[in-house]
Amino acid sequence: DAGVTQSPTHLIKTRGQQVTLRCSPISGHKSVSWYQQVLGQGPQFIFQYYEKEERGRGNFPDRFSARQFPNYSSELNVNALLLGDSALYLCASSRSRDWVIASPLHFGNGTRLTVT
Amino acid sequence: TQLLEQSPQFLSIQEGENLTVYCNSSSVFSSLQWYRQEPGEGPVLLVTVVTGGEVKKLKRLTFQFGDARKDSSLHITAAQPGDTGLYLCAGDTGNQFYFGTGTSLTVIP
Repeated sequence: DAGVTQSPTHLIKTRGQQVTLRCSPISGHKSVSWYQQVLGQGPQFIFQYYEKEERGRGNFPDRFSARQFPNYSSELNVNALLLGDSALYLCASSRSRDWVIASPLHFGNGTRLTVT
Repeated sequence: TQLLEQSPQFLSIQEGENLTVYCNSSSVFSSLQWYRQEPGEGPVLLVTVVTGGEVKKLKRLTFQFGDARKDSSLHITAAQPGDTGLYLCAGDTGNQFYFGTGTSLTVIP
């Protein structure tokens, strides 16, 4: 089975623009979560979606939004991009809504976003 | 502010040496995981610990969850160049998932 796939792999945007990142979970996985990883730091949790509903939100501004589709794929949108939004954006999928105890997270290789 | 602090932040050792990475917090976690991340890739799960005081071994890697479920450690015996990478702890509070600050390990042949 294919792993978690993210697109695009790399992206360059200008300050003030908007960006949409995409994630396809492993087949059979209904939960998708998003993370921001700034160079040299650990990932920061942004959102979790399960069965198309938001189940958790991290400490990110309202410029960040996401949604999950009936096929469980997901999009992360960021509006009014700032230089500080430059980071690796990771998507992870799992079978269960419950965090990690019920099923482990499987990560994609991320989208590297550069804001100039 | 990161809920989980890891130490050391950077570690460079010779092949064959032992090392320990620490993951500390003032918060209690339902479970704690350790991941390894290589450049250009997403984190890959190494282990999940759930019970306070739990010890798990994965070949040369030993993981321990603190009795109070607030901290954890990762011990590597006889490190090899293939162990090089960014080691991340991550904890589940029940409604959010937090990663640690990361420990970058380089094992020199």
